[in-house]
Amino acid sequence: ETGVTQSPTHLIKTRGQQVTLRCSSQSGHNTVSWYQQALGQGPQFIFQYYREEENGRGNFPPRFSGLQVTNYSSELNVNALELDDSALYLCASSLALGGTYEQYFGPGTRLTVT
Amino acid sequence: AQSVTQPDIHITVSEGASLELRCNYSYGATPYLFWYVQSPGQGLQLLLKYFSGDTLVQGIKGFEAEFKRSQSSFNLRKPSVHWSDAAEYFCAVVRNQAGTALIFGKGTTLSVSS
Repeated sequence: ETGVTQSPTHLIKTRGQQVTLRCSSQSGHNTVSWYQQALGQGPQFIFQYYREEENGRGNFPPRFSGLQVTNYSSELNVNALELDDSALYLCASSLALGGTYEQYFGPGTRLTVT
Repeated sequence: AQSVTQPDIHITVSEGASLELRCNYSYGATPYLFWYVQSPGQGLQLLLKYFSGDTLVQGIKGFEAEFKRSQSSFNLRKPSVHWSDAAEYFCAVVRNQAGTALIFGKGTTLSVSS
């Protein structure tokens, strides 16, 4: 059984650019959530996808968008990058909506915006 | 609105001493509560969870937590800390509007002294 994987590990972008982060869910899971973790803070919920449909969104602007594809890979896209977008982005997968509520996290992608 | 508060930003404990990390939550109904641990440069690992039933729950690595509804608390404990327990600890509650998405506290950094 493979765990949650994320790519790339690290990324440096310039303010105003666009970025795509990728996540591969744990085998058998059908729900993916994305979180932003700023330095010294707890993770903040960005959005969640269940069976390819967005199923909840946190307090993030529309320039944060995503998608989930049939093999349960997921992408997080951020447009018009700002300096405050510098953070660790975590992907988490879980089995079924409203099931055990256990989320399994990937190692994260460290995004630096200069 | 739901929230999680971890009052202690940083705690230092001697190796072999007992540990208690505090967590308070704000939630109207019965919460689903979690403790996660994050080592430097790593993703989040689930230590334990509470959904219902016995208010004292056991987790991995010798950790336990007690749910106290009257105090809106879910404190994490360990009877004897090991140097390898040094890490960041996060308490979280399920976000009620969106499946399995979580609301995290800001975390407590645990240092272990010899």
